[in-house]
Amino acid sequence: DIVLTQSPALAVSLGQRATISCKTNQNVDYYGNSYMHWYQQKPGQQPKLLIYLASNLASGIPARFSGRGSGTDFTLTIDPVEADDTATYYCQQSRNLPWTFGGGTKLELK
Amino acid sequence: EVQLQESGPGLVKPSQSLSLTCSVTGYSITSNYWGWIRKFPGNKMEWIGHISYSGSTSYNPSLKSRISITRDTSKNQFFLQLNSVTTEDTATYYCARYNSGYSEGYFDYWGQGVMVTVSS
Repeated sequence: DIVLTQSPALAVSLGQRATISCKTNQNVDYYGNSYMHWYQQKPGQQPKLLIYLASNLASGIPARFSGRGSGTDFTLTIDPVEADDTATYYCQQSRNLPWTFGGGTKLELK
Repeated sequence: EVQLQESGPGLVKPSQSLSLTCSVTGYSITSNYWGWIRKFPGNKMEWIGHISYSGSTSYNPSLKSRISITRDTSKNQFFLQLNSVTTEDTATYYCARYNSGYSEGYFDYWGQGVMVTVSS
């Protein structure tokens, strides 16, 4: 299985930039696509798709969110951070079955 | 609007079977792929498996001997059965829709989740 590693927590100030990383132990690129996706989950809610295929903004997601990366290194950036962005963020790969998730990064405000 | 809703018992005894239903409105399960994912206490998430628009299935090898995903197209529902549960199956279970075919493998609609505790 592909292992995804995320830092457990990140604290940023309102209006600043948050950069959340996800590293994989295998390349998740294939024929020009990076099979990496990002979700936001708030307590008591279901995950919400933010970014798909590494850099594509999901429908209805504000442009403050962006994703980049390829191969084994990926980042989710939130710029500027708003109070409503406090949540846990997960990366997920779909290069190889079984799909796997990172452990999540909890974003907190300083 | 696509909506998914999980239902099932919140408490299951060890060694018994866990059965969950995902009811879908606003979209036919005879299109796309439909999956089950669970989130353990402590936040680890695990893909359980999926069922396709045609009824074919794929399962996480870690669970393959214990799980079955089926569907009832007349009710627009799909189901998860997990046999021989242990306390390690305690989790919140989500059903979700793949955005398109499973080849891209990401989920654009999720249910609210159902918390299942395995305990005697």
